[in-house]
Amino acid sequence: QQQVKQSPQSLIVQKGGISIINCAYENTAFDYFPWYQQFPGKGPALLIAIRPDVSEKKEGRFTISFNKSAKQFSLHIMDSQPGDSATYFCAATVMYSGGGADGLTFGKGTHLIIQP
Amino acid sequence: NAGVTQTPKFRVLKTGQSMTLLCAQDMNHEYMYWYRQDPGMGLRLIHYSVGEGTTAKGEVPDGYNVSRLKKQNFLLGLESAAPSQTSVYFCASSYDLGGLAHEQFFGPGTRLTVL
Repeated sequence: QQQVKQSPQSLIVQKGGISIINCAYENTAFDYFPWYQQFPGKGPALLIAIRPDVSEKKEGRFTISFNKSAKQFSLHIMDSQPGDSATYFCAATVMYSGGGADGLTFGKGTHLIIQP
Repeated sequence: NAGVTQTPKFRVLKTGQSMTLLCAQDMNHEYMYWYRQDPGMGLRLIHYSVGEGTTAKGEVPDGYNVSRLKKQNFLLGLESAAPSQTSVYFCASSYDLGGLAHEQFFGPGTRLTVL
């Protein structure tokens, strides 16, 4: 059972364009939705994250849009650069009220290539 | 700070052999996690720990055991390796920002091949 579905599997965007990656989740208990960026041979690194009490979060060129009723969230990369070429994973988890969280449930990843 | 380190970086095993992967973190994080990454599958949670001396099963725990005897270390054991356990293994640790955020810091990974 795949609890977080991510699309597309791969994406090619021209330099300066907008990259959009989508995710949908099934578990309504999820309340923390991060995006991770992974370069070849490296471990994933947190890019940006959102809680369900807001519909959008922006950090620099990266924006998460969140639709709680549709159980969907997406990553937008504005002015995409060749250095953004990497694999992107959406994820979700349940945060404990007293602190901490379950492990992350990841999407299958999107291989993003930004062409110069 | 070294962050999260993993030992070894690469390993080749024969079917039936055993081994232990070591994860260490120097950030005094309470929570630690083991994931496996397979092509086209994303990362899947194997086991995790919410504190020293505690462990819990994740999505794919079969064939693995873990121990968290010290806060800074989280060990992943394979008692009898199988080819299906060929994967890249990532350890992560995290802290808690009072329930506001939860960032996991990942190690560089261990590439394991089981022949």
